[in-house]
Amino acid sequence: DAKTTQPPSMDCAEGRAANLPCNHSTISGNEYVYWYRQIHSQGPQYIIHGLKNNETNEMASLIITEDRKSSTLILPHATLRDTAVYYCIEGFGNEKLTFGTGTRLTIIP
Amino acid sequence: NAGVTQTPKFRILKIGQSMTLQCAQDMNHNYMYWYRQDPGMGLKLIYYSVGAGITDKGEVPNGYNVSRSTTEDFPLRLELAAPSQTSVYFCASRGGLVTDTQYFGPGTRLTVL
Repeated sequence: DAKTTQPPSMDCAEGRAANLPCNHSTISGNEYVYWYRQIHSQGPQYIIHGLKNNETNEMASLIITEDRKSSTLILPHATLRDTAVYYCIEGFGNEKLTFGTGTRLTIIP
Repeated sequence: NAGVTQTPKFRILKIGQSMTLQCAQDMNHNYMYWYRQDPGMGLKLIYYSVGAGITDKGEVPNGYNVSRSTTEDFPLRLELAAPSQTSVYFCASRGGLVTDTQYFGPGTRLTVL
């Protein structure tokens, strides 16, 4: 079973920031937090990952709480193409990642 | 780079038939994975490999077999197809570093009737 907890669904208005929460209360000190997304029935796509510090790349920002028990993925200016299922995963890169059911994000025009 | 490629895209099998799902990657990645995804569900790991000649079971290995004779290829074998194996199958690969991410193929949609 997935070790993370995410809301099953969320809506966000187009052009606004989408903030997707994730709880990972059992994360150990050397485990990373990974975010992937799956658009329609395509293969999942990597978004971002982090260990302790906040991270930003061209797709998104990742905010990790100081105790590392939760994180938030931020899509700064959501577009219709961001409609997808978003998966938050904890683990080592070298280990197999466990995908839960994720959050279904719908961007509303 | 083509990335991760999977064939076929779609397949319909009869109960008891066998088939091999092909997966290839051209990124010289050490790690390769097979997942299945049932409708409305997350991905479940079937088998994975950390390099040529080395494979290991994931969460749901029953009914499947794999081999890894080369770095590039990681075929998944179904010996006696059952309706419970109706699913979308994704292959993925990643490099050898802790921070390397997984790259997924486009998937194979399998129906067993």
